[in-house]
Amino acid sequence: NAGVMQNPRHLVRRRGQEARLRCSPMKGHSHVYWYRQLPEEGLKFMVYLQKENIIDESGMPKERFSAEFPKEGPSILRIQQVVRGDSAAYFCASSPQSGEYGEQYFGPGTRLTVT
Amino acid sequence: AQTVTQSQPEMSVQEAETVTLSCTYDTSESDYYLFWYKQPPSRQMILVIRQEAYKQQNATENRFSVNFQKAAKSFSLKISDSQLGDAAMYFCASQYSGGGADGLTFGKGTHLIIQP
Repeated sequence: NAGVMQNPRHLVRRRGQEARLRCSPMKGHSHVYWYRQLPEEGLKFMVYLQKENIIDESGMPKERFSAEFPKEGPSILRIQQVVRGDSAAYFCASSPQSGEYGEQYFGPGTRLTVT
Repeated sequence: AQTVTQSQPEMSVQEAETVTLSCTYDTSESDYYLFWYKQPPSRQMILVIRQEAYKQQNATENRFSVNFQKAAKSFSLKISDSQLGDAAMYFCASQYSGGGADGLTFGKGTHLIIQP
């Protein structure tokens, strides 16, 4: 059973470009979470999605950031018009639909560098 | 809102010795979960141990155990017989368990160094 997949692992964007980060949850998992880790910091929750629904986006910046988890395909975290402050590691985690609380399995992360 | 505080930015221990990492948290919820995650240089987040707040018994996973003091809102991690492979960042995290699976709230982490 493959783990949570994220791609790309490294992404370099110039200021003003768009960044698209992809997350494929573990097989059978229908809950996806996105987290951001700034240098020397812990992970910060951004958004929680189920298939075709955003459940909690309380940690998402109000502008330029969006997330989706379509019926088919991976979850996408999209950052428009990136700025240097968006440089960070972005982690995706998934959990099963009927699993106990806390069973979040993390992907390897995408390191975004904005130049 | 939940907050998690790790007051030790860095800890060092001799191989085979025991080390304790501190964590305190603040929540107004009565039902929640607590976790310790390990992040080695590969940056992969690995679950080390979890504790349900309603359980009084401290969780144990092989060489890893916790000291959960609910009244004091303290959740420390003890690593026995430290090994070189234990070197990593360790993050304490909490999760409110009401109303649907919520995001985790992480502390800033403790960098654990293992001296050979």
